[in-house]
Amino acid sequence: EAQVTQNPRYLITVTGKKLTVTCSQNMNHEYMSWYRQDPGLGLRQIYYSMNVEVTDKGDVPEGYKVSRKEKRNFPLILESPSPNQTSLYFCASSPRDPSNSPLHFGNGTRLTVT
Amino acid sequence: QKEVEQNSGPLSVPEGAIASLNCTYSDRVSQSFFWYRQYSGKSPELIMSIYSNGDKEDGRFTAQLNKASQYVSLLIRDSQPSDSATYLCAAASGGYQKVTFGTGTKLQVIP
Repeated sequence: EAQVTQNPRYLITVTGKKLTVTCSQNMNHEYMSWYRQDPGLGLRQIYYSMNVEVTDKGDVPEGYKVSRKEKRNFPLILESPSPNQTSLYFCASSPRDPSNSPLHFGNGTRLTVT
Repeated sequence: QKEVEQNSGPLSVPEGAIASLNCTYSDRVSQSFFWYRQYSGKSPELIMSIYSNGDKEDGRFTAQLNKASQYVSLLIRDSQPSDSATYLCAAASGGYQKVTFGTGTKLQVIP
C-alpha cells in the first residue's frame, strides 16, 4: 500500500531531551516536507526537501533539524525540545515539485513537551 | 497578513444543501491551489486541485479559481453529514517548492 509512515503516533517527553520523529514513504517521491499544526494557526511548514541531501527551511524552522540521506526517509529532529514545540506534526510527500502535484500526508505525530 | 486566508467557521448547512467555502491568497505568484479535507484527529486528504482560472468539477465538488481577484472557492453540492470536516485551502508557487495552507474552515452538515 502506498503510504507515508510516521512514528511514533504519540510522544510525551520532557524539556531538553532530544527526540526524533521518523517519516518514511514508499512511493519513490522526490519531495518531502514537515508541518506542524496548531489551533488557530493551521499547518505551518517546518522544513522541506526536494531531493536527497537537499533540504530547505520552511516558515518555522527554529528548534528543528532534518536530514535526507535516503530518498524514502525524512526524519525530524528536536535537539532540545521545549514546551512551545508541543503540537501535532505531519510529514508529507509529493511525486515532484508540490506546485504541480498534491501532498500525501502521514497519520501525524502528537508531541507533548512538559 | 497571512498568505492564505480562510474564514474559520463553523459553516453550518443543512443536509442536501450547497456548501460554499472561500479562500483568498496574497502572493500573486501563486499558481497552484488545493483543497484538502481533514477530519478531526486525522491527516489532511486531497479533495481537489486547480491550476487555471475557471471551474473544475469532480463529482459533488467544484473548485473555482479567479487569479485576478486572488480568490479560490470550493462548492460542495448535496452536502452530506459525512462532509462535516475542516477544509484546508493551500497555495503553491512554481519553482519555490513551498506550499502554504490557510487555517481551515470547519463545515458542519446538519442532518
